[in-house]
Amino acid sequence: DGGITQSPKYLFRKEGQNVTLSCEQNLNHDAMYWYRQDPGQGLRLIYYSQIVNDFQKGDIAEGYSVSREKKESFPLTVTSAQKNPTAFYLCASTGGSYNEQFFGPGTRLTVL
Amino acid sequence: GQQVMQIPQYQHVQEGEDFTTYCNSSTTLSNIQWYKQRPGGHPVFLIQLVKSGEVKKQKRLTFQFGEAKKNSSLHITATQTTDVGTYFCAPRIYNQGGKLIFGQGTELSVKP
Repeated sequence: DGGITQSPKYLFRKEGQNVTLSCEQNLNHDAMYWYRQDPGQGLRLIYYSQIVNDFQKGDIAEGYSVSREKKESFPLTVTSAQKNPTAFYLCASTGGSYNEQFFGPGTRLTVL
Repeated sequence: GQQVMQIPQYQHVQEGEDFTTYCNSSTTLSNIQWYKQRPGGHPVFLIQLVKSGEVKKQKRLTFQFGEAKKNSSLHITATQTTDVGTYFCAPRIYNQGGKLIFGQGTELSVKP
């Protein structure tokens, strides 16, 4: 089955620790995205990558970092500099007839 | 970044009642997509509107794009419990590199 996988589904970390969220796709899509979702605030763009070895900051990039060494993979690191990291993180890629976004199942990060 | 207003934020209806969510932008939109996110799930693409005044239907769902391409609406006729979830509009803004800008979403609950 083609799709996007994110792991783990739930993640707990202590304050001050960096944590890396995984995102893998086998859809052969060039563009990939990371969003953060908080209750009542919709989806906010953290970083996006339109091609391998290239990425751009989104609206809320502070405290996050990414890499895009392979087309299939776009990991997101939540650093200790992120003031309020507890949230639901969604990875997506763009493709299809309408250049729509395909989302992974998400990772719910809780920082204690 | 570019703001998109989606209203209402929450809507509670009795099963069988109609439901409408509106998406408004101060900027002319290239096109607009709509997504649905079930509780605990991830957003799933529903439809894309491109032309001024365009109307598209999917069973009980009717999507409209405004004449000025600055607003859009999603109307559900005779809601069912399976319609529960959050509906997001996601316009593409001219000169924004093709990125989607997600609205805050409208959370729909349906009482049986």
